[in-house]
Amino acid sequence: QKEVEQDPGPLSVPEGAIVSLNCTYSNSAFQYFMWYRQYSRKGPELLMYTYSSGNKEDGRFTAQVDKSSKYISLFIRDSQPSDSATYLCAMRHNTNAGKSTFGDGTTLTVKP
Amino acid sequence: DAGVTQSPTHLIKTRGQHVTLRCSPISGHKSVSWYQQVLGQGPQFIFQYYEKEERGRGNFPDRFSARQFPNYSSELNVNALLLGDSALYLCASRPGTVGGIYEQYFGPGTRLTVT
Repeated sequence: QKEVEQDPGPLSVPEGAIVSLNCTYSNSAFQYFMWYRQYSRKGPELLMYTYSSGNKEDGRFTAQVDKSSKYISLFIRDSQPSDSATYLCAMRHNTNAGKSTFGDGTTLTVKP
Repeated sequence: DAGVTQSPTHLIKTRGQHVTLRCSPISGHKSVSWYQQVLGQGPQFIFQYYEKEERGRGNFPDRFSARQFPNYSSELNVNALLLGDSALYLCASRPGTVGGIYEQYFGPGTRLTVT
């Protein structure tokens, strides 16, 4: 079983919808939780990162971490066609910040 | 500011050959990590280098090796290529030390096809 499991999708929503992307993990030692956006054949782009449990908001994006349930989410409000991409969750320990463990991604399509 | 740069963008190799991929980190970043991303999967950690020393290695065979130079650029070498090595190879850099709060920033990747 993988350390990080991500809802596989694909996900297709109309423009303006609220999108929920989710990951679960098994390693309770993970302390940092990240969301990356990846366009086709490009490198991942860091969207948000959160330390430990709680919520973090940045514009239309909200990241939630529930360490007790080993569950993280990314919410996108007022989704736009430009949000169409693959979203990757990632997480890591504090002591080795250059080694992240990724989910396999959820592909999102926002239809105009 | 320039982001992480990687070269080449694409390359095609034959089974059994050797390949070298190159990465230049963001200016001021001393930590470089390498990841392999097979189509349809998330990136898998291969190596981390900090201050020219290997600081972590993922579950990859000894055919994979890397090094970091005094200017913090890095190269990934893969020997005796297999078809299964076909993937997008990503380089990421970050500021700070081995641990801590700073996150990684990825380059565009090198797409390797092994035939």
